Amino acid sequence: DTEVTQTPKHLVMGMTNKKSLKCEQHMGHRAMYWYKQKAKKPPELMFVYSYEKLSINESVPSRFSPECPNSSLLNLHLHALQPEDSALYLCASSQVGGGRGNEQFFGPGTRLTVL
Amino acid sequence: SQKIEQNSEALNIQEGKTATLTCNYTNYSPAYLQWYRQDPGRGPVFLLLIRENEKEKRKERLKVTFDTTLKQSLFHITASQPADSATYLCALNTGGFKTIFGAGTRLFVKA
Repeated sequence: DTEVTQTPKHLVMGMTNKKSLKCEQHMGHRAMYWYKQKAKKPPELMFVYSYEKLSINESVPSRFSPECPNSSLLNLHLHALQPEDSALYLCASSQVGGGRGNEQFFGPGTRLTVL
Repeated sequence: SQKIEQNSEALNIQEGKTATLTCNYTNYSPAYLQWYRQDPGRGPVFLLLIRENEKEKRKERLKVTFDTTLKQSLFHITASQPADSATYLCALNTGGFKTIFGAGTRLFVKA
């Protein structure tokens, strides 16, 4: 299974809502990532988990809260978002080390709209 | 500052021709350079990786070159097909978890 799955595919939320994005992989990868991508822009790294521990936080506002419950799952909890947070949120996974150059497997993304 | 530059304008080519996409970077010393394909509204798909000590890598109709002196990578698709139409992203990794992506070049292959 070389697939990363993400749910939901689309999400519309108000600025006072709390919602969560979910990501799952069964490739045995021990690094998992959240990216944010705006239209016609490159994916921007938000968080990296390595062996279920937060390894990188790219100064992301606290209204985004990541969680890695186990080696296969990654969540992104959303609270009090702003309209400018509307974007495609991508999850990715990769092996750790091994000279693979951080080749990442991406999910299809969640299209988030904040009203 | 660190920067990755890809052709910002779309590249239009005729089916059967070779598409050549460029990736230039400044103020990086990447250990790995990767190319990904992204279709509209979808996540990127990994295509090829080339290491800093490699000059060229091939996979089927794809070829990547890496010139660390010029700080440039070229990505070639030979015998292009309409199905190759997509955005192609260049990405740099210095050996850790952080990979920096370029904005991508949109390729249109006309039948």
